[in-house]
Amino acid sequence: EVQLVESGGGLVQPGGSLRLSCAASGFIFSDYYMYWVRQAPGRGLEWVGRTRNRYNIYTREYGAAVQGRFIISGDELQMNSLKTEDTAVYYCARGEISREWYIDYWGQGTLVTVSS
Amino acid sequence: QSALTQEASVSGTVGQKVTLSCTGNINNIGSYGVGWYQQISRGAPKSVMFGNSLPSGIPDRFSGSKSGTTASLTISGLQPEDEADYYCSTWDHSLRAQVFGGGTKLTVL
Repeated sequence: EVQLVESGGGLVQPGGSLRLSCAASGFIFSDYYMYWVRQAPGRGLEWVGRTRNRYNIYTREYGAAVQGRFIISGDELQMNSLKTEDTAVYYCARGEISREWYIDYWGQGTLVTVSS
Repeated sequence: QSALTQEASVSGTVGQKVTLSCTGNINNIGSYGVGWYQQISRGAPKSVMFGNSLPSGIPDRFSGSKSGTTASLTISGLQPEDEADYYCSTWDHSLRAQVFGGGTKLTVL
C-alpha cells in the first residue's frame, strides 16, 4: 500500500527556515517523480516543486513563488527566507509512473505557519 | 490568477449528471492530459481522474474527456458524497510548471 506521510510543519517567524519531510512507503521512491503542493488558508492548490526520478537524474523544478528559496532534496523540502504568504498546508504527492504529470497519491499534509 | 480556468461553483441534485470544465492553452491542456482531484472539506486531495482513465477504486460514474484546450470531468448519477472541491491540473511545458485550476465547488442539492 502506497503511503505518504509529511512531517516537520509548525510555526516559524518571517525570514526563518523550516524543513519538511515526506516518509514514503509501499513503492520504490527513486522510480517516481515526487511533488510538493501547498494550499494557503481559503485558497486553492498551488504547485511548489517536483523532483524527477532516477532515470531523469533527479532534476528538480520549482514554482515561481518559491524559486531560489525552497530546495527539494530527496524526500525533504527545505524552506528558507520564509514569508507570511508561505503559510499553507504542504502536501507531498507522487506522480504516476508513466505519466508523471498525473498525481496519483497524496499525503495528509502538514501545516506551516509563518508569523511573528 | 490560475493558469487553468474552472467554474467557481456547480450544483446538481442527487442522480443528476454534472460536468465540470477546465480551460487552458496549447502549452498545457493542448499538450498533456488533465488530472482531476477531489478535496472534501479541505482534507487531503484525492485523485479521481487521469485524462479519461479512472484511478483504482474510483466509481465509474466519473468520466473524463478533452477537446483541444478544454478538459471536462463528468459525474453521472450524482451522489451526496460527491460534494467537494474539484481541481484540474497538468504540466505546462512553456512555464515548466505544474499548473492548477482555481477549483470548482460542487454542491449536491
